[in-house]
Amino acid sequence: GAVVSQHPSRVICKSGTSVKIECRSLDFQATTMFWYRQFPKQSLMLMATSNEGSKATYEQGVEKDKFLINHASLTLSTLTVTSAHPEDSSFYICSAREMRDLNEQFFGPGTRLTVL
Amino acid sequence: EDQVTQSPEALRLQEGESSSLNCSYTVSGLRGLFWYRQDPGKGPEFLFTLYSAGEEKEKERLKATLTKKESFLHITAPKPEDSATYLCAVLFYGGSQGNLIFGKGTKLSVKP
Repeated sequence: GAVVSQHPSRVICKSGTSVKIECRSLDFQATTMFWYRQFPKQSLMLMATSNEGSKATYEQGVEKDKFLINHASLTLSTLTVTSAHPEDSSFYICSAREMRDLNEQFFGPGTRLTVL
Repeated sequence: EDQVTQSPEALRLQEGESSSLNCSYTVSGLRGLFWYRQDPGKGPEFLFTLYSAGEEKEKERLKATLTKKESFLHITAPKPEDSATYLCAVLFYGGSQGNLIFGKGTKLSVKP
């Protein structure tokens, strides 16, 4: 089956620093990648959708300048949390969608971000 | 408003005790309904996709069914390794670029 990886799996950083999270589709080309965040005991909330080679589309309430998304190739998307604050601490999960099946998304293992 | 509602929020079963999880949705123009399993600290793991009312899919001890308003995930003779949070998500026509709308999940605990 399709495999999506994320790196790092965990990151702890100081308030005010920036953190980059990578999402890769390992065995397929992903025309679209999605970024979600999940708070404890809460559902996954979509943050943004990115298509390869174009600007990401952000959901309402998500700050574009704070959560920078780059989808430079068909197998890699990055999420950079800029000037992170403790309230940005969360579980960030990416997913990727193949060209062949526009209905199905494959999820990465997630990245736990803790901002001190 | 909630478009996807899962119940119960938590479910405790004894090993071998069969039960069902519910996912009700209010979106119109359903493209697909998805079931995922999520273990603590992990990303969702795909289980099933259902596209039309009346459709059923099975995998080992799990069986998913779909009606026009809800889906059930039936667990037959569960084992402790089935303990996880089960997430339901819907994809609907008109949603932005096909994003999934997730329910809050049902946390299943199976005791030996």
